[in-house]
Amino acid sequence: DIQMTQSPSSVSASVGDRVTITCRASQAISNWLAWYQQKPGKAPKLLISAASSLQSEIPSRFSGSGSGTDFTLTIISLQPEDFATYYCQQANSFPPTFGQGTKVEIK
Amino acid sequence: QVQLQESGPGLVKPSETLSLTCTVSGGSISSYFWTWIRQPPGKGLECIGHIHHSGTTNYNPSLKSRVTISVDTSKNQFSLHLSSVTAADTAVYYCARRAPILVGYYFDSWGQGALVTVSS
Repeated sequence: DIQMTQSPSSVSASVGDRVTITCRASQAISNWLAWYQQKPGKAPKLLISAASSLQSEIPSRFSGSGSGTDFTLTIISLQPEDFATYYCQQANSFPPTFGQGTKVEIK
Repeated sequence: QVQLQESGPGLVKPSETLSLTCTVSGGSISSYFWTWIRQPPGKGLECIGHIHHSGTTNYNPSLKSRVTISVDTSKNQFSLHLSSVTAADTAVYYCARRAPILVGYYFDSWGQGALVTVSS
């Protein structure tokens, strides 16, 4: 299985801050990467596919980049509703595997 | 917009079989891949396996010996059976749809999740 490693595991930030989360794959996956947002007690929500393609109705303050083994999720101007846990997931091969998550907390 | 809803017992005894059903509404179960994903309390996400409406399945090798996923197109449902459960199988179990317009394993629609506790 492809291992996905996220950093940091948690980040404290304020409304309006810029937040960057990184994800590294144990082997090259081209751009086969998704980012999900999960709020407590809720299912994950697909934000980004193909490393940088924003899903419909996802605000443009979210962006993704990267290719190969290293990827980044950036949230510019953090909003109150963005405090959540974010997961990366490789979409290249079965079984699809997830990072351990990054919790974005209020400072 | 398609909606998914998990149903089944919330408590299963060790060594028994965990069984869950996912009912799909607002769209047909045909022509897509349907997946089970689980999340132990406070932990990350693990893909269990998926099924195509035709019945073709693929299981996570780590669970393959204990997992069966089936589909009932007449009821617009698919099901998960996980045998010989232990406390390590305690988790929130999600059913999800593999995004039909995206190439790759992307999950664009999810159920709300069902907590299953393994305990005597």
